[in-house]
Amino acid sequence: GESVGLHLPTLSVQEGDNSIINCAYSNSASDYFIWYKQESGKGPQFIIDIRSNMDKRQGQRVTVLLNKTVKHLSLQIAATQPGDSAVYFCAEKSGTGRRALTFGSGTRLQVQP
Amino acid sequence: NAGVTQTPKFQVLKTGQSMTLQCAQDMNHEYMSWYRQDPGMGLRLIHYSVGAGITDQGEVPNGYNVSRSTTEDFPLRLLSAAPSQTSVYFCASSYWDRARTEAFFGQGTRLTVV
Repeated sequence: GESVGLHLPTLSVQEGDNSIINCAYSNSASDYFIWYKQESGKGPQFIIDIRSNMDKRQGQRVTVLLNKTVKHLSLQIAATQPGDSAVYFCAEKSGTGRRALTFGSGTRLQVQP
Repeated sequence: NAGVTQTPKFQVLKTGQSMTLQCAQDMNHEYMSWYRQDPGMGLRLIHYSVGAGITDQGEVPNGYNVSRSTTEDFPLRLLSAAPSQTSVYFCASSYWDRARTEAFFGQGTRLTVV
């Protein structure tokens, strides 16, 4: 069984609805952001990224919005499907200092059929 | 098409035992890292390496050692296991440039220390 994410905030949506997952980041020097999806028992998988010189980027059914003024990132999933059920993490890379990704604590997305 | 391979997938240790978690990547990435993931938390960086022969500490390095003798391999050693090290461990590799850094993760090692 999965022990990861037992106490994560959870977003529950109906199949076919749009989902919005939010993330607040802390480092104003961060210049690159990634959204990861983690399914039960698996490692995180890349979904979409955005650089700090952009405020929006679109992929297939997903859109990432970046608001640097309030240090906020969001992931929008269109027409949410049961296969989208997972834990979603945002990660940030600092433009200075340590070459490492810093991860948020994650949000669990539950898609109701 | 292996990507990042971690072994073992599961491990139970007694307090005080030592062990090595293996990580190998076949993408010729210079950058490799180890994270631990605890319930209700995101991934926390333990150690990382920007190339063969170069390692550095992350957020939570205590109780762990790493080495990077080749580009492909980045083992994580637990020197004397403690119950607080019960966690899921992920290894990741990536290229690293100013524009982007997409980290590829292994499947994880679930470690229990009793």
